[in-house]
Amino acid sequence: DAKTTQPTSMDCAEGRAANLPCNHSTISGNEYVYWYRQIHSQGPQYIIHGLKNNETNEMASLIITEDRKSSTLILPHATLRDTAVYYCIVRARGSSNTGKLIFGQGTTLQVKP
Amino acid sequence: NAGVTQTPKFQVLKTGQSMTLQCAQDMNHNSMYWYRQDPGMGLRLIYYSASEGTTDKGEVPNGYNVSRLNKREFSLRLESAAPSQTSVYFCASSEGWGLADTQYFGPGTRLTVL
Repeated sequence: DAKTTQPTSMDCAEGRAANLPCNHSTISGNEYVYWYRQIHSQGPQYIIHGLKNNETNEMASLIITEDRKSSTLILPHATLRDTAVYYCIVRARGSSNTGKLIFGQGTTLQVKP
Repeated sequence: NAGVTQTPKFQVLKTGQSMTLQCAQDMNHNSMYWYRQDPGMGLRLIYYSASEGTTDKGEVPNGYNVSRLNKREFSLRLESAAPSQTSVYFCASSEGWGLADTQYFGPGTRLTVL
């Protein structure tokens, strides 16, 4: 699975959009981009995933660049409850895929009042 | 739907003691996973079960054994606990295997080995 690079930490004002970048320059054609988050002391929570098209759900939007070498997770109106560590994970599908998620260090997002 | 449940929530062991961490899911998922998370670190996969009746090693399997008791339950056993196994343990499940599906995590078991 391709490696990802994320900033260590970010701040965001409550009510503003939080834009979390992720670099995955070695991504291959069959690899998806996943985002999970982990609120303090809780189990990780799935947010969104995509292959090449932009995706949106009730939690967030995922913007993937045309060359697929980077992506941005957007939380449109961040709240204090969105304070968490956000993990960008690239994972392949197919018969050789072990299904495991490789969690890096993630980005610690601090939403401030 | 309770999702993924884990017991116990907290446990303190002495070096050399054994214990089993329990995990159950009620989503009819085929695949289940055990991860550990050390302070300030990301999660690391210990063992996984792609489907009922199969188990395989992950990144850090040493010192652990697992049992996929049935489709719902996946347990993690520490035969002889060591201080290096002090960690938070998360169980997860997913619908499929080798698919771009999502994993759902339990609340974790906080284990301290003295």
